[in-house]
Amino acid sequence: GAGVSQTPSNKVTEKGKYVELRCDPISGHTALYWYRQSLGQGPEFLIYFQGTGAADDSGLPNDRFFAVRPEGSVSTLKIQRTERGDSAVYLCASSPQGSLASGANVLTFGAGSRLTVL
Amino acid sequence: QQQVKQSPQSLIVQKGGISIINCAYENTAFDYFPWYQQFPGKGPALLIAIRPDVSEKKEGRFTISFNKSAKQFSLHIMDSQPGDSATYFCAARPGPRGGYQKVTFGTGTKLQVIP
Repeated sequence: GAGVSQTPSNKVTEKGKYVELRCDPISGHTALYWYRQSLGQGPEFLIYFQGTGAADDSGLPNDRFFAVRPEGSVSTLKIQRTERGDSAVYLCASSPQGSLASGANVLTFGAGSRLTVL
Repeated sequence: QQQVKQSPQSLIVQKGGISIINCAYENTAFDYFPWYQQFPGKGPALLIAIRPDVSEKKEGRFTISFNKSAKQFSLHIMDSQPGDSATYFCAARPGPRGGYQKVTFGTGTKLQVIP
């Protein structure tokens, strides 16, 4: 597609439930990133995929969070046993080249999935 | 640990004025400094970026000034317009040896340009 597509745009769930958030990156972009943006804060790195593999998952806050990208395109962020503190906007971004070499540093973000845990 | 500190938190500027947003960083491994613009309900979008081997970069009304020795950089918006009203984030990214895929963002500056 023309841009990074994220679904759902809004998700309200109850504490303890399981949630999946989907990201469809720009066609041909090999690198995919998940960020979390809490109210009034900047985006915070969660995980980075180069192709199908998670090259860096150091930003995932705990083992309730997991992400996959099985075919190197669409990615799903999965959150188990949601907590109220998980409420945030989850942003996905893609870039055309995983090495982020000169000229390919641009992250294109989607509009995000707003998660509210009641 | 906040690796990129941004100020002010909010800023009100009259139309035609100059908007200035400042950032400071600690990690000397950072080698790429982008600025992102975010409108409500949208994701951040790259506005302008600079590498530390230059002290200034200008694109239209937007200028980044970079002071490597002080580990500071700033965004100047000349002739600010109401359409510039948005939240601005400075960011920094390490070089290839420091985990270059992990961009660190500042806390954001909410800019309001009044007519």
